[in-house]
Amino acid sequence: KAGVTQTPRYLIKTRGQQVTLSCSPISGHRSVSWYQQTPGQGLQFLFEYFSETQRNKGNFPGRFSGRQFSNSRSEMNVSTLELGDSALYLCASSPWDTYEQYFGPGTRLTVT
Amino acid sequence: AQSVTQLGSHVSVSEGALVLLRCNYSSSVPPYLFWYVQYPNQGLQLLLKYTSAATLVKGINGFEAEFKKSETSFHLTKPSAHMSDAAEYFCAVSASFGNEKLTFGTGTRLTIIP
Repeated sequence: KAGVTQTPRYLIKTRGQQVTLSCSPISGHRSVSWYQQTPGQGLQFLFEYFSETQRNKGNFPGRFSGRQFSNSRSEMNVSTLELGDSALYLCASSPWDTYEQYFGPGTRLTVT
Repeated sequence: AQSVTQLGSHVSVSEGALVLLRCNYSSSVPPYLFWYVQYPNQGLQLLLKYTSAATLVKGINGFEAEFKKSETSFHLTKPSAHMSDAAEYFCAVSASFGNEKLTFGTGTRLTIIP
């Protein structure tokens, strides 16, 4: 099976802009989670979607949002970008019946 | 709430020596514990998981970890380090099945000395 794919892999945006990141889970996986990784804060949970519903949410401002489509693909959106949003954004998918999360390679977002 | 603490942000071992990466957890419910590895410019790869079955868990690449409830620990070991083990390692905890939120430790960067 193909792994989790994330597009784009690299992105440069300007402060104040918005950005959309995409994640395609492993075929058959219905849960998709998003994480932000920064040198200062480490790995932090953003949100998780299961069957198109947000099931869990981390402690991030409302500028961070996401959605999941009927084919389990997910997008996350960050509006009004700030310099501190520069990070590696990781997507992970998991099947409905195990605890394992499989991570994609991430999207590296740089805000200038 | 769940949390994990990784002792030692950097660990260096000689090739062929024992690898020991420490992780202590805090959880109000029986935890599910994981070790992930991250190579440069890559995502996270699952090494092993503890889900309340056997307390000694074997993973990929020769790694294993032992769940010790009395010590609230889940340390990662490998008997003989290989150069390819150089990477960053993360311990993570999840509250329960169906709650996919992983809480990660701050990571331990493992360096292998030739």
